[in-house]
Amino acid sequence: DTEVTQTPKHLVMGMTNKKSLKCEQHMGHRAMYWYKQKAKKPPELMFVYSYEKLSINESVPSRFSPECPNSSLLNLHLHALQPEDSALYLCASSRTGKASNTGGEKLFFGSGTQLSVL
Amino acid sequence: RKEVEQDPGPFNVPEGATVAFNCTYSNSASQSFFWYRQDCRKEPKLLMSVYSSGNEDGRFTAQLNRASQYISLLIRDSKLSDSATYLCVVKEGGGATNKLIFGTGTLLAVQP
Repeated sequence: DTEVTQTPKHLVMGMTNKKSLKCEQHMGHRAMYWYKQKAKKPPELMFVYSYEKLSINESVPSRFSPECPNSSLLNLHLHALQPEDSALYLCASSRTGKASNTGGEKLFFGSGTQLSVL
Repeated sequence: RKEVEQDPGPFNVPEGATVAFNCTYSNSASQSFFWYRQDCRKEPKLLMSVYSSGNEDGRFTAQLNRASQYISLLIRDSKLSDSATYLCVVKEGGGATNKLIFGTGTLLAVQP
């Protein structure tokens, strides 16, 4: 079982709705990530938080709004989404979110939220 | 050119076969490399990190060729449970943040 918990597992929303995706980890990690994955495609990075500060925003539209209340929690607020935003949204965590002399950190993923926008 | 490229497959192999996947990356400054496995409708899970000298974990062997900018994964004695998509992952070179780029994935189907 994954140590990164995402809720809800499935979400159906209309284009005028406001909803939030939630992610929680208790591994003591200080970095959390949002990835988006369409069917038969690789995960694409959206946001990275490191020590509760947003360190990467991959030019994501403002209808997606991330929030990191503390290092264990990560939210993704959704508003006025489009049908093409339907995808699997994956949360991940890593130890610090910072690259070191020895290279990158491995990611631990939650099981994802399957989002459908009607 | 994509940052991380893989042959999408599918690779259809019989049980017990040996199968190898390659992955190429475009940024010569890339530092860290991983193989992840993703089952259908599940999250990616780390299979193994890839070290400069090559490394082995049971039936799985990973190799890195920095000069040619490619990574390989060898699976020996394939099991039915090895059927999955194998994602090559590269840490973007030069950045201070842990930005990992995923390849398109290679689908493996092990047949009985």
